[in-house]
Amino acid sequence: SAVISQKPSRDICQRGTSLTIQCQVDSQVTMMFWYRQQPGQSLTLIATANQGSEATYESGFVIDKFPISRPNLTFSTLTVSNMSPEDSSIYLCSVEELEGNYGYTFGSGTRLTVV
Amino acid sequence: GNSVTQMEGPVTLSEEAFLTINCTYTATGYPSLFWYVQYPGEGLQLLLKATKADDKGSNKGFEATYRKETTSFHLEKGSVQVSDSAVYFCALGGSTLGRLYFGRGTQLTVWP
Repeated sequence: SAVISQKPSRDICQRGTSLTIQCQVDSQVTMMFWYRQQPGQSLTLIATANQGSEATYESGFVIDKFPISRPNLTFSTLTVSNMSPEDSSIYLCSVEELEGNYGYTFGSGTRLTVV
Repeated sequence: GNSVTQMEGPVTLSEEAFLTINCTYTATGYPSLFWYVQYPGEGLQLLLKATKADDKGSNKGFEATYRKETTSFHLEKGSVQVSDSAVYFCALGGSTLGRLYFGRGTQLTVWP
């Protein structure tokens, strides 16, 4: 299975600032996904990031708030912009593995607290 | 559309009790089905999966069978341990769907 390194693992940020989360995968993958998990809730898909094209955002999420980069097949970033306390969540990246043992692998998550 | 309905929690059991967490789904095409586990303070780990109808996924004593006729993928374990305390998520996905669709999650607490 792919191994995903997600950074930072946690952060405490001031409101109005931005945080960029990085995900590095140890193999090339076509699709990367960014999820948000609010406290005590399930996972909500923010966007799907394909290399070489604009990310596709789910309803309720916009590029100005959550800009995503996908410069190559092993790396992606998600920025949480102009943060407010409502952005306090766990953010996770994920990849779909089509080769070998099919499935979806997740990064360890970024625990974000906005104060 | 695609969706997952997971039984409401929380679930509280004594050690060695039998566990069932119900999961049903609605999907177009032929999805794969997954159970993920999230231990306190950690990320998501794949517990088991099934990629086609009648497949049984199993891992660490947990089992789930992909039932197309009842659109279900219920998670079972014959004898739970305190270390099984976690949140369990049922999910559906697959190459035709791209992304994963998650259930609401079920908090399991096992008492010694």
